[in-house]
Amino acid sequence: AQSVTQPDIHITVSEGASLELRCNYSYGATPYLFWYVQSPGQGLQLLLKYFSGDTLVQGIKGFEAEFKRSQSSFNLRKPSVHWSDAAEYFCAVGAPQAGTALIFGKGTTLSVSS
Amino acid sequence: EAGVAQSPRYKIIEKRQSVAFWCNPISGHATLYWYQQILGQGPKLLIQFQNNGVVDDSQLPKDRFSAERLKGVDSTLKIQPAKLEDSAVYLCASSLVPASRTYEQYFGPGTRLTVT
Repeated sequence: AQSVTQPDIHITVSEGASLELRCNYSYGATPYLFWYVQSPGQGLQLLLKYFSGDTLVQGIKGFEAEFKRSQSSFNLRKPSVHWSDAAEYFCAVGAPQAGTALIFGKGTTLSVSS
Repeated sequence: EAGVAQSPRYKIIEKRQSVAFWCNPISGHATLYWYQQILGQGPKLLIQFQNNGVVDDSQLPKDRFSAERLKGVDSTLKIQPAKLEDSAVYLCASSLVPASRTYEQYFGPGTRLTVT
């Protein structure tokens, strides 16, 4: 069955420190991969996506993610976290056909301490 | 470009009552999705429309949930009768497919439903 696992429910990072959020997926083929961010009371905003090609993808707000096929992982990173990055982060997978619905992980809540 | 609009933003009802949510997708977006996000969980697809036709409603509890997308634009999601476990945020999303190969789904702010 297709699934997405985000092992960390809650992470606290000091402002200015680096960040890595983990995502593992189970899928029959190489899926399309996404990271979304959700701030309180807001809808989901796309941070970045991987379809094919370069396995290191750059996104908005200084985020990047690396696709590792051998580990079925798509971890999200940021070199220096800002207080405004505090939010909930969702990893998602989709079938390699445009228009199909996404399967989301349960999310990781990021808190930023000063 | 206007985003995906949803209303109401918040709704509190008692169990066994009915409720309806409205979604207006981004202009020109052929595909519309309704997701249910229970507290502490990721969004889960309820139903997907392509224009005004249903593509996938396999996870929609059809005994109590219904959805329509008349004229291939706006959509409404209805729950009747509501149960306590329906308390969640209901997210609407849209995407440009099939006119474009871009995969991005644009999400609305959601409707937070509390069933008491």
